[in-house]
Amino acid sequence: DIQMTQSPSTLSASVGDRVTITCRASESISTWLAWYQQAPGKAPKLLIYKASTLKSGVPSRFSGSGSGTEFTLTISSLQPDDFATYYCQQYNSYFRTFGQGTKVEIK
Amino acid sequence: QITLKESGPTLVKPTQTLTLTCTFSGFSLTSRGVSVGWIRQPPGKALECLGFLFWNDDTRYSPSLESRLTITKDTSKNQVVLTMTNMDPVDTATYYCAYTEEWFGDLDSTWGQGTQVIVSS
Repeated sequence: DIQMTQSPSTLSASVGDRVTITCRASESISTWLAWYQQAPGKAPKLLIYKASTLKSGVPSRFSGSGSGTEFTLTISSLQPDDFATYYCQQYNSYFRTFGQGTKVEIK
Repeated sequence: QITLKESGPTLVKPTQTLTLTCTFSGFSLTSRGVSVGWIRQPPGKALECLGFLFWNDDTRYSPSLESRLTITKDTSKNQVVLTMTNMDPVDTATYYCAYTEEWFGDLDSTWGQGTQVIVSS
């Protein structure tokens, strides 16, 4: 199965900061990549699919880019609700796999 | 509106078989591009995909857990059932079911609230 590796594992930032999370795939997945946000004690929610398409209703401060094996999730100006854990997931293969997650915590 | 809800035992003993049910509404599991997946998350750890049941009755399982997993459906009840054999304390986790619809790369996904499973004697 395709392995997904995120970096960093933890990110400390302040409200208003610009943050970037990287996700790398073990083989090319074109743009078949999704990003999820998981608040503490909650189920994950879809933010972005096809590497860069924002799900309806997701704030525009979130953006995604990349193709092939390297992808990024950027939050342009961190808001209090954004302190959460973020996961990338590939859906290039039938067995979809997640990265290990990046926790965005308050600095 | 799409909703999913997981149900099943909170506590299971080692070596027992776990059966979890995902009851859903707002979509049809026979619609092209639709799948229901089972994902688990041990306390403080990352999400781990267990397996998926697709609209065409195809299934895919985690290679490391395939021998222990079965995912089936009951279309009349709008349910997807996960069976995991030979439970071990390392299987303690929150178990989620999730709807996904994929169409030429476009994706939508909705998750259940999750159900906690503790494996202990």
